[in-house]
Amino acid sequence: EDQVTQSPEALRLQEGESSSLNCSYTVSGLRGLFWYRQDPGKGPEFLFTLYSAGEEKEKERLKATLTKKESFLHITAPKPEDSATYLCAVQFSGGGADGLTFGKGTHLIIQP
Amino acid sequence: DSGVTQTPKHLITATGQRVTLRCSPRSGDLSVYWYQQSLDQGLQFLIQYYNGEERAKGNILERFSAQQFPDLHSELNLSSLELGDSALYFCASSPRGLYEQYFGPGTRLTVT
Repeated sequence: EDQVTQSPEALRLQEGESSSLNCSYTVSGLRGLFWYRQDPGKGPEFLFTLYSAGEEKEKERLKATLTKKESFLHITAPKPEDSATYLCAVQFSGGGADGLTFGKGTHLIIQP
Repeated sequence: DSGVTQTPKHLITATGQRVTLRCSPRSGDLSVYWYQQSLDQGLQFLIQYYNGEERAKGNILERFSAQQFPDLHSELNLSSLELGDSALYFCASSPRGLYEQYFGPGTRLTVT
């Protein structure tokens, strides 16, 4: 069964304290891996798409990387406004479905 | 603002009732997806439409159905509602299947 597992479930950091969030996946034929940010009660906000192992994408304080088994979302010198739940999702080949399979997310809190 | 709109924002109804959720995709996007987000299950893919036709089903119950109209807006119909159907329902859109999906603000459904 295709699965996406995110760790840790929750992470509390001090402002400026860099860290990484992990997303591991077991899918038969990865088409794409997506990172989203979700604020409470709102829709997921698209951050990055990664398609192949070795690929990296950056946006402000965030950098996403991809290997054959997992992806990391690195956050450098975070600010309180980076507090949110970060979701990882995969799209896999099979069954003709383009729907995303999501992990449960990492709830990130940045304390000033 | 992702460009995806959903109505209504909130919906409160009783068990056994039927409701319709509406979604307008981003301009130019042909694919529409419906997702359900609950506290225990996380974000789950329900169904996808592409240019008016059903493309794939995920974890959608038989009591739920959807359609996409010629103007590309979509409706999700939920019938014989149960307490467990209370959740956030999101619509997402993309130009085609193999692209990032942009999510709407969601409809919060409460079944009492």
